Order: sequence, then C-alpha cells, then structure tokens
Amino acid sequence: NAGVTQTPKFQVLKTGQSMTLQCAQDMNHNSMYWYRQDPGMGLRLIYYSASEGTTDKGEVPNGYNVSRLNKREFSLRLESAAPSQTSVYFCASSNLRASNQPQHFGDGTRLSIL
Amino acid sequence: TQLLEQSPQFLSIQEGENLTVYCNSSSVFSSLQWYRQEPGEGPVLLVTVVTGGEVKKLKRLTFQFGDARKDSSLHITAAQPGDTGLYLCAGGSQGNLIFGKGTKLSVKP
Repeated sequence: NAGVTQTPKFQVLKTGQSMTLQCAQDMNHNSMYWYRQDPGMGLRLIYYSASEGTTDKGEVPNGYNVSRLNKREFSLRLESAAPSQTSVYFCASSNLRASNQPQHFGDGTRLSIL
Repeated sequence: TQLLEQSPQFLSIQEGENLTVYCNSSSVFSSLQWYRQEPGEGPVLLVTVVTGGEVKKLKRLTFQFGDARKDSSLHITAAQPGDTGLYLCAGGSQGNLIFGKGTKLSVKP
C-alpha cells in the first residue's frame, strides 16, 4: 500500500547543477501537486497538474519545471539549482482538484544546494 | 493574497493536559482541512470541514469551523505523547490549498 512515492529521499547538489525529483502515486488519482516546505514558511505550492496532460503554476514556480508523464507520475526539475532552492519537497495527489478533496502526501525529498 | 495564521507557533505540555490551537484568516474559505505531520514524513489528513459552524470529533480531537468560514480551531482533550507533531491547517481556495505555517506540539510523558 505505497500511496505516494518520492525519489530520492535525500540529495546534495552544487549551485548550477540540475536534477529531477520523481513522484509516483498508485491511487489512480487525477490531480498531483508539488510543494516546498521551509522553516517558518509553511507549505507552498510550486506547480500542480489537475489532470493528465495539464500543468499549471502555483505560488512559487520560478526556477522549476514539471512534467506529468502519465496519470501516475509527476516530476519536478531544477534546471540550474540555487542555494535558495534548499528545502524539503513534497509531492501530493488527490482524486480531484477541488478545495474539499483530501491530499495524500509522500514522505518528501530533502534537497541541499551548496 | 489569502493567508492563514496559526497560533501558537509552539506548544509544550504534559501528558493529560487539554489544549487548543487556532487557525485564523481575514478571508473566507470554501473548506478547511487539518493535517498532522511527524518528523521525516509528509502531512496526513485528520479532517475536512466545509460548513460554517461545523464541529467534527475524531476520538480526543475536536475540530470547529467558524460561522463565517474564516477561522477554525482544534481542541485536544487529555493529550498523549502520540499527539506530538506539527499540526497544519489548510484552506481551500480555487481548487488549491493554502497552508498555515503550523503549530508544533510536544506532549511530554
């Protein structure tokens, strides 16, 4: 009963390097989300995908790109990592994109940019 | 910009005590969710409230949505060490969720 799986769990990058964070869900959910969580800032939405084939910007999209590969998978890419992107990244999914729908979260990717 | 303010930011209590945490906004939300997050894990949904004045109970936890749908509270009766964690409220806005910064609760045996 995996739910939402994120890889990797930890990563250290140097400034300017690129990487892709992977997320997969096995609940047949239509909507998927990427958040970042920083101390004192709470969870902030980076990008979301309301359904397969669509993606939209959230509150803090600058410096990131996303791909909804299929219904199960939603990846987040940092093209040129910056120290300000050091954070814990969470992927989430929900059956529908609606305010009253529960979101199911993965356990996060802890990313440090040196 | 819609904001959710949670208070207190930190709370440390002894096992058996009661506590209330608050989630306030100047904006109206269509619904409000409460999550609990433990270290090293993602948030887990506790409850969703959608109607102004609604009260929901989950064992020792009581959740209330304000009449005007701008605020919510979480009351825990007889707290236990297993209640330790970060409690997050999240308001529904145009299909997405706006999260508060959380209340970090520590319950000592």
